[in-house]
Amino acid sequence: TQLLEQSPQFLSIQEGENLTVYCNSSSVFSSLQWYRQEPGEGPVLLVTVVTGGEVKKLKRLTFQFGDARKDSSLHITAAQPGDTGLYLCAGAAGSGTYKYIFGTGTRLKVLA
Amino acid sequence: DSGVTQTPKHLITATGQRVTLRCSPRSGDLSVYWYQQSLDQGLQFLIQYYNGEERAKGNILERFSAQQFPDLHSELNLSSLELGDSALYFCASSFGLPPYNEQFFGPGTRLTVL
Repeated sequence: TQLLEQSPQFLSIQEGENLTVYCNSSSVFSSLQWYRQEPGEGPVLLVTVVTGGEVKKLKRLTFQFGDARKDSSLHITAAQPGDTGLYLCAGAAGSGTYKYIFGTGTRLKVLA
Repeated sequence: DSGVTQTPKHLITATGQRVTLRCSPRSGDLSVYWYQQSLDQGLQFLIQYYNGEERAKGNILERFSAQQFPDLHSELNLSSLELGDSALYFCASSFGLPPYNEQFFGPGTRLTVL
């Protein structure tokens, strides 16, 4: 069974701090996506990374795909209360027919 | 608003019953995915359809079934319901197929089995 472990599970920080969330697996993924989910809503896609070593930036968020395409990280600079939510990584696993395997999630709370 | 609609928003039923959850994908999207999200299991992929055909299967129980209709809307049928089936059920849609497509999630159906 392919698993995506995220760490930390919970994170509570002050506004203005930096943080990094990790998404790790022993499996190789064809692509990896990061989502943010708010209570009572569906996940919203933030980014898709495809190439090993790829780095993508979305304003204060920086996403990196590991060289071996088994892991990824999300770094947030100068966190704001609006960044509060559940962050999920999801890897596309398979060959020909793919399934999305979601990570265990990181619940982030940014305090004003 | 993702453009994906799900009905009903909430559903409360008893053990042993059967329910149907409905999903309308974004206009133009051909793929529909169903996911179950519970506190202890996280977001689990159940099944995917593409243009009416089953494309990929995940951890879907035999008591659950789904289909995608010619107008591309999809239904997830849950039968012989158990307490452990209580969860949020999400539908997502995309234009193409994984692994590079973007999924758009609906608002979910919260199922409570009493």
